[in-house]
Amino acid sequence: QLQLQESGPGLVKPSETLSLTCTVSGGSISSSTYYWGWIRQPPGKGLEWIGNIYDTGSTDYNPSLKSRVTISVDTSKNQFSLKLSSVTAADTAVYYCARLNNIHFDYWGQGTLVTVSS
Amino acid sequence: SYVLTQPPSVSVAPGQTARITCGGNNIGSESVHWYQQKAGKAPVLVVYDDSDRPSLIPERFSGSNSGNTATLTISRVEAGDEADYYCQLWDGFSDHCVFGTGTKVTVL
Repeated sequence: QLQLQESGPGLVKPSETLSLTCTVSGGSISSSTYYWGWIRQPPGKGLEWIGNIYDTGSTDYNPSLKSRVTISVDTSKNQFSLKLSSVTAADTAVYYCARLNNIHFDYWGQGTLVTVSS
Repeated sequence: SYVLTQPPSVSVAPGQTARITCGGNNIGSESVHWYQQKAGKAPVLVVYDDSDRPSLIPERFSGSNSGNTATLTISRVEAGDEADYYCQLWDGFSDHCVFGTGTKVTVL
């Protein structure tokens, strides 16, 4: 059974860079059939797509975040990562990693809360 | 960018049918997916490609999509169906993912 697990600091200072890693187990991240993505959810609000990374290494990002987001993959560790720079309080959210199966997300991590505060 | 509009809330009695709509411009020409999110948990895919169900999802969950509205239908609603529900599609024009605004389903 495929499992995804987010990890990273739960507290980030304003103007710094948020960094999260998603570890995939029970399947290979190198598969050309599936892709990998990040989604976030501010407290009490809805889901917001952040971006995806494909088997070719190419990426798609939400236009509203594109200037601050980088998604990368480390196939040797079966992990993919998210970096979000110049964070503000508005970036406080639960961050989810997920597997993109064609154009829907079929497996999700449990999510990790990241708070931006000094 | 593409906007998906859902009603903020839907209330339904146990055993009845809940219908959750997702409105978007010509949404019927896109494939729509639905997620259930219970309090404090990650979203779970309940319907994909308009009307297909993942293997572990009960037949009580069904979907349809036509014109400017996609609909998730929950038949014979149970207390355990109380959750937030989100629609999602891939906007072929912008090549980006879009989530709906979300609907809170309350079982009376």
